[in-house]
Amino acid sequence: GESVGLHLPTLSVQEGDNSIINCAYSNSASDYFIWYKQESGKGPQFIIDIRSNMDKRQGQRVTVLLNKTVKHLSLQIAATQPGDSAVYFCAAGYTGTASKLTFGTGTRLQVTL
Amino acid sequence: GAVVSQHPSRVICKSGTSVKIECRSLDFQATTMFWYRQFPKQSLMLMATSNEGSKATYEQGVEKDKFLINHASLTLSTLTVTSAHPEDSSFYICSASGDYNNSPLHFGNGTRLTVT
Repeated sequence: GESVGLHLPTLSVQEGDNSIINCAYSNSASDYFIWYKQESGKGPQFIIDIRSNMDKRQGQRVTVLLNKTVKHLSLQIAATQPGDSAVYFCAAGYTGTASKLTFGTGTRLQVTL
Repeated sequence: GAVVSQHPSRVICKSGTSVKIECRSLDFQATTMFWYRQFPKQSLMLMATSNEGSKATYEQGVEKDKFLINHASLTLSTLTVTSAHPEDSSFYICSASGDYNNSPLHFGNGTRLTVT
């Protein structure tokens, strides 16, 4: 089966600095990966996704890097803002079977002023 | 686009009663909806996959007779927690995808269920 884990449960970053949140997955057959942001009392909010035919994808202030060799992905947030404070989840799955997304344990990002 | 609405956001019920939670896709047709459960400071765990017009597919360990799922239309799925007990207290979240080959899951804002 798939297991997805995060390296750090809590990440504290100063406002304006870049944040890097890491995630490891176990199933090499996974070919679809998503990062979600969850604020307290709310549902997860889609940030960015990447498929296994890519190793990097950029969005607005966010970049996801995928290293299939070591089964690792990361989320980079540029110029971190207080509004970025939340729990970030990575999820892994298979194209065409999005229902089988397996979520990581989550990393809490704390942005300090 | 891709808005998923969940109702109610919070519900308190007494042990032994049943509670229905609704999940609606507001601007797209969701052939498949998913129900997750989340305990405090923990990750999301998939409970079941709800397919329009057919029976839901439950994950291992999830009691289908306790968590009744109905997906009667392309925009609505309901989760009914039957004979609720305090241990059913949790955060229930639904998600939906119109075309899961190409679009990511979008989530509702969750329902906080408290069983007293």
